[in-house]
Amino acid sequence: GESVGLHLPTLSVQEGDNSIINCAYSNSASDYFIWYKQESGKGPQFIIDIRSNMDKRQGQRVTVLLNKTVKHLSLQIAATQPGDSAVYFCAENEGANSKLTFGKGITLSVRP
Amino acid sequence: DAGITQSPRHKVTETGTPVTLRCHQTENHRYMYWYRQDPGHGLRLIHYSYGVKDTDKGEVSDGYSVSRSKTEDFLLTLESATSSQTSVYFCAISEPSAGEQYFGPGTRLTVT
Repeated sequence: GESVGLHLPTLSVQEGDNSIINCAYSNSASDYFIWYKQESGKGPQFIIDIRSNMDKRQGQRVTVLLNKTVKHLSLQIAATQPGDSAVYFCAENEGANSKLTFGKGITLSVRP
Repeated sequence: DAGITQSPRHKVTETGTPVTLRCHQTENHRYMYWYRQDPGHGLRLIHYSYGVKDTDKGEVSDGYSVSRSKTEDFLLTLESATSSQTSVYFCAISEPSAGEQYFGPGTRLTVT
């Protein structure tokens, strides 16, 4: 079957290097942001989130940076591993109604 | 997949036939969502539910209906399937106090 990763931009990184995946959002009123990882044939998996009152949040091997001035979100993955190969996409919402707007995603390909 | 199952996982059906997809959760989350995912479009919201018998339309609701008679089940029905409804369908759940949504494994539907 057709992969969700087709037609998406691709980031290729060497195993062990750090990866930076970027996302631009358009709604200046958005106050909550999430990064998801989606492996082939699976549902999106929550990675990390950040609220608009923060500009950085760290998880295990991942860091999310938020720049509200330019409406930009990035996901940094330290020491990228083959298991990190997937489609990554950001999502945003505004207010407490919990309806998310999703970006189209970027394919991360890890070279051994 | 956060206690979320979807059935069937794969289905091939003919144009004009009715189809029902089921989402079942064991997390007791109040909010449930149906999305479709197509190459080049990302995840698009079809319908959502904020509680039993409380449903509303998303951005691509034409041709779809939903029902939620129990907290744990959210059904998506295509009354008369069309080829444009060939897609991968994902169910998601969330809590009112949290912004993140958790996704099921998906149903790949092909309408011939």
